Parts: sequence; structure tokens; C-alpha cells
Amino acid sequence: LAKTTQPISMDSYEGQEVNITCSHNNIATNDYITWYQQFPSQGPRFIIQGYKTKVTNEVASLFIPADRKSSTLSLPRVSLSDTAVYYCLVGARYSSASKIIFGSGTRLSIRP
Amino acid sequence: DTGVSQDPRHKITKRGQNVTFRCDPISEHNRLYWYRQTLGQGPEFLTYFQNEAQLEKSRLLSDRFSAERPKGSFSTLEIQRTEQGDSAMYLCASSLDGVVDRPPEAFFGQGTRLTVV
Repeated sequence: LAKTTQPISMDSYEGQEVNITCSHNNIATNDYITWYQQFPSQGPRFIIQGYKTKVTNEVASLFIPADRKSSTLSLPRVSLSDTAVYYCLVGARYSSASKIIFGSGTRLSIRP
Repeated sequence: DTGVSQDPRHKITKRGQNVTFRCDPISEHNRLYWYRQTLGQGPEFLTYFQNEAQLEKSRLLSDRFSAERPKGSFSTLEIQRTEQGDSAMYLCASSLDGVVDRPPEAFFGQGTRLTVV
């Protein structure tokens, strides 16, 4: 099971771009990288998933270098409502990680 | 609203009592997961169903915990003889199987907050 390491917390300001990096040195060939967002008193919410290079959706971008040992979640022009905990997960459909294992996440605080 | 509903949203119980939580997943989802989350921590995996079969249980799931998913639809999580350490948010999630090697996208309910006094 690939272990992930991400910063415990980050602070930023409204309108800024925020990049959260996740390290996963032991990522396996079949593993995908998935990010979830969790607001207080709510369950986590899927944000984005990728395997290599770059993935972009209406919420965020995910950058994955060629060696895939790390990934960066990029949130463009954050607002106060982006204050949440962000979790980086690594796994594949049929691996033990298909049960979806969370780490401690990165607590992102956005200030006015 | 993700489509996954949990009931009740809050539960206060006395130590030693039994409690049961219910989760109604998105109807076409064959996978169902239970997690426990305490303050400041990420969700901890408890157990996972594929249809009605309970495929995996965490070591966190002691003998006092039991989960069922009859007929592969809703699920219940029961805690017997509750202890103060059981106080936490209990989250349920559901998903499809995933595609090729992709892990599935899980949809979470809003959780049941349990307080044991």
C-alpha cells in the first residue's frame, strides 16, 4: 500500500493559486492518485483523479511528474469557501487500497 | 447532497448501551464503505461491502462492532456496549466498481456523530 506524505497545514489568501504537494515514493505501476476535499461536519468529496501528466476539471488541476513519486493539487484563485482538509490517496481498483484509505490530509485555511 | 443518506445525524448514548446506524447508498452502487473519524484525523477505514458480501474488516472493528448489508442495499452498523472511546463521526460511502484500474469515486454521506457519555 503506497504511503502518502503531505503538509499538515497551509495558509493562503483569497484570489491566490494554491498548490498542495503529496509525496508517494512507493507508488505502484497500477496506482492512480486521487484527491478528496472535506469541509467541517461533512463527508469527504472527490475532487480529481489522475495517473500521469496533467488532469484538469472545473475545480482543480492535478500535476503528476514522469516518475510519479509526487503529485500536486492546484486550486486556482481560491476563495474562503475552499477552506477545507484535502486528502491525497494512492491506489488501484483491485488493490487493497480499493477500500479507499485516507491519511491525515492537509488543512487549508484561506484568509480574506 | 451526494445521494448517500445516513440516519441518525446525531446520537447521544450512555456508556454500555447499544446503538445502530443506517446508511442508504446511491441505489446503483454495489460498493459500500464504513469509516470512523475523530477530531483532527482523517477517516479511518472500518469495513467494506461488495453487494451483500462483507469483503474486508479493519482491525479497528472490534467484536463489539458489526455491520450488515442485507440484499446489497442499505447497511447498518451496530456498536454493542458502547464505550467513551467510540465517540466519533461514523461515515458511510458508496461507489461503483471503478473502471479498468481506476479506483472508484466514492460518495460520502454526511455522517452520524456519536457521543458516548
